[in-house]
Amino acid sequence: AQKITQTQPGMFVQEKEAVTLDCTYDTSDPSYGLFWYKQPSSGEMIFLIYQGSYDQQNATEGRYSLNFQKARKSANLVISASQLGDSAMYFCAMSPPLFTGNQFYFGTGTSLTVIP
Amino acid sequence: ETGVTQSPTHLIKTRGQQVTLRCSSQSGHNTVSWYQQALGQGPQFIFQYYREEENGRGNFPPRFSGLQFPNYSSELNVNALELDDSALYLCASSADRAAGGGRVLFFGPGTRLTVL
Repeated sequence: AQKITQTQPGMFVQEKEAVTLDCTYDTSDPSYGLFWYKQPSSGEMIFLIYQGSYDQQNATEGRYSLNFQKARKSANLVISASQLGDSAMYFCAMSPPLFTGNQFYFGTGTSLTVIP
Repeated sequence: ETGVTQSPTHLIKTRGQQVTLRCSSQSGHNTVSWYQQALGQGPQFIFQYYREEENGRGNFPPRFSGLQFPNYSSELNVNALELDDSALYLCASSADRAAGGGRVLFFGPGTRLTVL
């Protein structure tokens, strides 16, 4: 069974600094996808970044990068140059292998607060 | 914004009542998934609909049911409401029913249901 673990309930970062949000996952399948979503207080889940299990390079999207360490089963999100608008809940999620299932598995989230 | 809309935004019901939540998927997306997010938790998969048929279900009782219409919009129905049904209900649309392979879920703003 797939499982996502986020061990940091809350994180604080100074504006303009970088921050790393941790995510570890558990799966016995060789093919899977890893995602990060941002959830502001309004509730909507906003897609940030995707990493496929066979991707050789770490994914990057603007200020977001995913530090993918397959052997350690970790997929940490790095946010560079933090902004006040980055304050939100962040969820790591995993999708199953292609054509084997439909549900995404989410962690319990990390609350990020950016301090001016 | 993702183009996924949900209605209503907030809803208050009493135990034992029935509720219907609605979702319009993003243009071009034929698959809709529903997730329940309890306070302080990550989203939990309820079910997915593809071409008007249920195409995967999580660990939710039969009183959670759904529909998908020819225009790919969807409804989530919950009968015999219980206090524990109080949660944020998120609808997500995607371009393909197959999970994985980089398929991204695009979420709506959610419906916050309170059961008294």
